[in-house]
Amino acid sequence: QVQLVQSGAEVKKPGASVKVSCKTSGYTFIAYYIHWVRQAPGQGLEWMGWINPNTGATNYAQKFQGRVTMTRDMSITTAYMEVTRLTSDDTAVFFCARDEGGRGIDYWGQGTLVTVSS
Amino acid sequence: QSVLTQPPSASGTPGQRVTISCSGSSSNIGTNTVNWYQQLPGMAPKLLIYKNNQRPSGVPDRFSGSKSGTSASLAISGLQSDDEADYYCAAWDNSLNAPWVFGGGTKLTVL
Repeated sequence: QVQLVQSGAEVKKPGASVKVSCKTSGYTFIAYYIHWVRQAPGQGLEWMGWINPNTGATNYAQKFQGRVTMTRDMSITTAYMEVTRLTSDDTAVFFCARDEGGRGIDYWGQGTLVTVSS
Repeated sequence: QSVLTQPPSASGTPGQRVTISCSGSSSNIGTNTVNWYQQLPGMAPKLLIYKNNQRPSGVPDRFSGSKSGTSASLAISGLQSDDEADYYCAAWDNSLNAPWVFGGGTKLTVL
C-alpha cells in the first residue's frame, strides 16, 4: 500500500533551518511528483511547492522562493524539504503528499510539526 | 486569504444532507478539476473526491461532488457523527506561481 512517512517533530530557534524527510513506499517513487503543504495552527492548507523525483526539478510558491529547498534521494525513495531563516510564523505542520497526476494530490504523509520558538 | 472561497462552518444533524460550496475563478475551478479533502482533528487530509465528482475506492457514496462554472460543491448525505471534520477544496491554478490552490476550509459540525 502507498505510504508516506515523515520525520518527527522539531523545535527550532528563530533564524535556524529545518529539514523534513518523507520516506515513501508502495509505489514507483520516480513516477509521481511530491508536494509539500504547510498548515499553521488552526489554519488552512497552504501549498509550498513540488519536486519531480525523477528529474529533481522543482517549483516553489513565490512566497517561499529563496527560503525553501526540495530535494530527493532516489536510492531510498525519500523526499526532503528544507526551510531556512525560520521565524515564529513558520510554526506549523508540514505535510508531504503524492501527486497521482490524473487524480491530483491523493496520498499524504502524517505531517511533521515544526515549532519555532526562542 | 485563500484563493478558493469556502464557508468557514457548516452543520447538520445525523441523517441530514449538507452541502459545502467552493468558489474560485476562471484560472482555477473554471478550467481545472476540483478535489475535496477531509481532515479529521490531528490527522492528515484524506482524498474524498477527485476530478470534480469521482470517489476513490473506499469512500462511501454518501459523499458526492459537483462543479459548475467557477464553483464546486461537496454534498454529504446521511450525515454521521464521524463526518465531523474540516473539509477543503483544491484545484490547479493556471495563473499563479502556486499551481495548487486550496480553499480556507469548512468545519463541519454534526449536532
